[in-house]
Amino acid sequence: DQQVKQNSPSLSVQEGRISILNCDYTNSMFDYFLWYKKYPAEGPTFLISISSIKDKNEDGRFTVFLNKSAKHLSLHIVPSQPGDSAVYFCAASADSGNTPLVFGKGTRLSVIA
Amino acid sequence: EAGVTQFPSHSVIEKGQTVTLRCDPISGHDNLYWYRRVMGKEIKFLLHFVKESKQDESGMPNNRFLAERTGGTYSTLKVQPAELEDSGVYFCASSPLGHLSTDTQYFGPGTRLTVL
Repeated sequence: DQQVKQNSPSLSVQEGRISILNCDYTNSMFDYFLWYKKYPAEGPTFLISISSIKDKNEDGRFTVFLNKSAKHLSLHIVPSQPGDSAVYFCAASADSGNTPLVFGKGTRLSVIA
Repeated sequence: EAGVTQFPSHSVIEKGQTVTLRCDPISGHDNLYWYRRVMGKEIKFLLHFVKESKQDESGMPNNRFLAERTGGTYSTLKVQPAELEDSGVYFCASSPLGHLSTDTQYFGPGTRLTVL
């Protein structure tokens, strides 16, 4: 029973355009959400997070949106760059991040020059 | 500041052998987590230490897995005896022990374990 779902295994986007990665969750106890980026043979690298008291958090080219009623979050990357090509994991936690993370299966983003 | 480090980066062993993985968290981080990613599946939680104490070990697959964190610094994860299904990438993550704000977990590069 997956509590965090990333339904798109892969996504291709042209350089300069917007990349939108989606994530759904089922556990209403989750109150902290994170996106990690992962390159091959490396560990997940923290990208951006959002607390459930917010609906948007922005950091440079990266913006995360949270829709609590729909139990849905999304990561927007704009403009997309070839170096953004990686696997992106959505993760969720209860108790403001002081509990183990529950991950989605990841979405492989390919940014085409 | 040094990140989370893990050793070895890759281990190939035969079924029935023993392997010990090591994780050095970011200095000063009291929270230490072990996760595992089996091929093609999601990253799954194994165990959580707060300093030297096991806070949550609900993700440990069975009693062939033993984790320790003596002194509250580095941690080891021993698999004995290893089985084929133990193959995967084992990640360690650490975070500070904060109570006033959300704490991001920072991951190491992982140890790729292959059991033949």
